[in-house]
Amino acid sequence: DGGITQSPKYLFRKEGQNVTLSCEQNLNHDAMYWYRQDPGQGLRLIYYSQIVNDFQKGDIAEGYSVSREKKESFPLTVTSAQKNPTAFYLCASSYLGTSGNYNEQFFGPGTRLTVL
Amino acid sequence: AQKVTQAQTEISVVEKEDVTLDCVYETRDTTYYLFWYKQPPSGELVFLIRRNSFDEQNEISGRYSWNFQKSTSSFNFTITASQVVDSAVYFCALSEGTNAGKSTFGDGTTLTVKP
Repeated sequence: DGGITQSPKYLFRKEGQNVTLSCEQNLNHDAMYWYRQDPGQGLRLIYYSQIVNDFQKGDIAEGYSVSREKKESFPLTVTSAQKNPTAFYLCASSYLGTSGNYNEQFFGPGTRLTVL
Repeated sequence: AQKVTQAQTEISVVEKEDVTLDCVYETRDTTYYLFWYKQPPSGELVFLIRRNSFDEQNEISGRYSWNFQKSTSSFNFTITASQVVDSAVYFCALSEGTNAGKSTFGDGTTLTVKP
């Protein structure tokens, strides 16, 4: 089945540790995104990538890092520099339309990160 | 800068009632795209509809309908004859034509449909 997978579903981390969240898509989409969602709030963009080996900071990139070595993979590392990492993290992808614009985003099931 | 406002934080209705979720947006671009997504309790967002700025035609899909009005910068979503399965958080989002890869989301409206 085509879609986006995120692993793990739940992740616990000790303060001061880096942790990497996985995101894989087999939709052959060009663009991929990482969002953070806090309780009762909307989605805030962390990083996005429109092409392999290139990515841009979103609105809240501090304390996070990403890589895009393959089209289908866009892992997110939450570093110890992120002050409040406990949140729900969502990965998404979208495809480039014939008019040159990106279309709707398809989302993975999310990873819930808790810092102990 | 682009901005999306969903003023209704929570809405509670009884099954079979109609309900409208409001979305107001701000953008300086003349080309932009509006979206609605549904987030059920499982957490995964599901795409519902996309509308571009050149198409003000309203759309109906089953019990769902959308009203796009550029004059008031609104893109409202109506559920007719609501059902318990409609209970979810609904997000409105905006992408500008100059950087259509990047979407700005509203804070969401939590809809609870009671039996």
